[in-house]
Amino acid sequence: AQSVTQLDSQVPVFEEAPVELRCNYSSSVSVYLFWYVQYPNQGLQLLLKYLSGSTLVKGINGFEAEFNKSQTSFHLRKPSVHISDTAEYFCAVMRGSQGNLIFGKGTKLSVKP
Amino acid sequence: GAVVSQHPSRVICKSGTSVKIECRSLDFQATTMFWYRQFPKQSLMLMATSNEGSKATYEQGVEKDKFLINHASLTLSTLTVTSAHPEDSSFYICSANDRGRTYEQYFGPGTRLTVT
Repeated sequence: AQSVTQLDSQVPVFEEAPVELRCNYSSSVSVYLFWYVQYPNQGLQLLLKYLSGSTLVKGINGFEAEFNKSQTSFHLRKPSVHISDTAEYFCAVMRGSQGNLIFGKGTKLSVKP
Repeated sequence: GAVVSQHPSRVICKSGTSVKIECRSLDFQATTMFWYRQFPKQSLMLMATSNEGSKATYEQGVEKDKFLINHASLTLSTLTVTSAHPEDSSFYICSANDRGRTYEQYFGPGTRLTVT
């Protein structure tokens, strides 16, 4: 069975500092991996996805993630965060051909001035 | 493009009544739509997957008679919470796959259901 583990439930960081949000997955088949961002009382917005090809994936808002098959990880990074990046971030793996997403428990990123 | 809307955004109902939530893909055709439930400060839990014109596939532990899903067209899916109870209070989010881009899943803004 596929699963996703987000190791940090909360990550506080100061503005303009770099940040890494960790995500590990387990899957016995080819993986499609996603990072989503959720602002309070809103739905999810896709930040980036890995389907195949280059293991370094660039997304919106300056975020990027690296797919590491040997470590079964897909960590999200940003070199310099803004206050507006404060949100909940979810890592997800796609299950099956219909596109069902299995989500991690989320990481709350708090950017402080 | 690729916008998914949900209506209503918030609803308060009394225990024992039924509530319908609509999910629409506004500018694309969605062969598959998904319904998620999110408890406060928790992740999204997939409730069911629906394909246009066929019965929904429910996840284990989700009562199909309580959470009725109808995917009547390529742009509309509805979730009806029947005989709602306070424990059904939650944030319900739908998403949809673009027919031509299976790996793109677009999320609606969510519906906050409060059962009193």
